[in-house]
Amino acid sequence: KNQVEQSPQSLIILEGKNCTLQCNYTVSPFSNLRWYKQDTGRGPVSLTIMTFSENTKSNGRYTATLDADTKQSSLHITASQLSDSASYICVVRDSGGGADGLTFGKGTHLIIQP
Amino acid sequence: ETGVTQSPTHLIKTRGQQVTLRCSSQSGHNTVSWYQQALGQGPQFIFQYYREEENGRGNFPPRFSGLQFPNYSSELNVNALELDDSALYLCASTLAETQYFGPGTRLLVL
Repeated sequence: KNQVEQSPQSLIILEGKNCTLQCNYTVSPFSNLRWYKQDTGRGPVSLTIMTFSENTKSNGRYTATLDADTKQSSLHITASQLSDSASYICVVRDSGGGADGLTFGKGTHLIIQP
Repeated sequence: ETGVTQSPTHLIKTRGQQVTLRCSSQSGHNTVSWYQQALGQGPQFIFQYYREEENGRGNFPPRFSGLQFPNYSSELNVNALELDDSALYLCASTLAETQYFGPGTRLLVL
C-alpha cells in the first residue's frame, strides 16, 4: 500500500530561525513529489514539485530535496517568518495510471513564534 | 490565488440531510478532483471528473456523488449525511500536472 509519512507531527520555532521538515514515502511506481503549504481552514498551495531526476528545488526561502534511492524528501525553511505558520503537506504521485494517483501525508503543523 | 473558488465557505447540516457543495475552476482546466480532509489529516481522494465524466473514485460510498459542467464548474453531493462527514471539502483543478486547490468548504454535521 502506498504511504507517505511526515515528521515531526508539529513544530514550534522562533521567528528568524531555520527548520527542516521530513517526508518518507513508499509509493511505487514513483512519478513526482510535491510540497504544499496549507493555512488553517484553507486549501493547499503548491510550493515545489520534483521528479525522479531532481535532487533540489527552491522557491524563495523554501528548499526541497529529494533522495529517490532512500525515498526521502525534506523541506527546509530559511529565516522563518510569522506567515510561515501553517501545515506543510508532502504529496507523492505514482505513475500507475490511476485517476488520482496521489498519496497525501498528514502534514507537519508549523508554528512560528515572535 | 489559485483561481479556484468554492461555495459556501461554511455549512452546518444535521444527520440525514443532503448537501451540495460547489466549485468553480479556471477556464481550460478539464480535470477536477474532490477531497475530504478531516481535522489534522491529509486530504482523502473522493473522485475525479474529466470533461464531465467520472474518471476515478476513492474509497467513498455511493452517497457521495458529483457532477462537472461545461463551464468548468462542478458539484459534490452528499446524501444521508453522517456525523463523520464533518470535514473540510476541497476541490482541485489540474493543468499540466499541477493541482490548484480551492479554499475549501467547512461542513459540520450535527
